[in-house]
Amino acid sequence: DSGVTQTPKHLITATGQRVTLRCSPRSGDLSVYWYQQSLDQGLQFLIQYYNGEERAKGNILERFSAQQFPDLHSELNLSSLELGDSALYFCASSVPAGGHEQFFGPGTRLTVL
Amino acid sequence: GQSLEQPSEVTAVEGAIVQINCTYQTSGFYGLSWYQQHDGGAPTFLSYNALDGLEETGRFSSFLSRSDSYGYLLLQELQMKDSASYFCAGADSNYQLIWGAGTKLIIKP
Repeated sequence: DSGVTQTPKHLITATGQRVTLRCSPRSGDLSVYWYQQSLDQGLQFLIQYYNGEERAKGNILERFSAQQFPDLHSELNLSSLELGDSALYFCASSVPAGGHEQFFGPGTRLTVL
Repeated sequence: GQSLEQPSEVTAVEGAIVQINCTYQTSGFYGLSWYQQHDGGAPTFLSYNALDGLEETGRFSSFLSRSDSYGYLLLQELQMKDSASYFCAGADSNYQLIWGAGTKLIIKP
C-alpha cells in the first residue's frame, strides 16, 4: 500500500459525459501528479500540482482539467468524453524535492462506451 | 527536451540474470529512476541513480553512465513474480520525470 488513495476504482460512462476522479496523496506529500495509461501503453504525464499550484503540464487535453485543494487532495475532471479516453488514470505523490520517487495510487479504470 | 529509449520486450529464464537498457537524449538531466509495474497494477519505485555508478538493492541493481547517456536495470536470480513492465524515467532540474515507453519482461520457467 503506497498510501495514495484514488476513487473510484472503476468508472463506466458514455461518450459526451463528464467525470471527476479523486486522489488523496500520502500524508505530508505536497506534490500530486496525474498520468494516463492506455491499454498496453506507457505512462503519459498529464499534470502536476504542488501545494495547490499548477507546477507542470504534460500532454493534457483541453477537455481535461485538474486542481489541488487546500487539504492537498486533487481532482481530475474529464469532459466531453470520447471512446479514446478509456484508460487507467493514475495519481502519484512525492515529497517536495523527491519527484524522482513517486508513490502511485491504485488507479481509476475509466471505460467510455 | 528529453527522450528515453528502452526495448519494448525482453525474455529471460527463471533463475537467470537479465539487463534492461535505457538510453536517453536530454538537456538538464539530473538522474534516472526505475519503476516496476505488474499487469493491472500501479507502478512502484525501484531505484534512483543521481550519480554515475551502480546502486544495489537486493536482487535488483541499477547503473548510470552520464558520459554515455545510458543506464540499465539488472535483475538477478529471476523469479516468475518479476514478470512485469519496467520503466526508466529521467529527472530534470525540477525533478519532473520524463518516462520511457516501458520494457515488458517475460520470464520462462
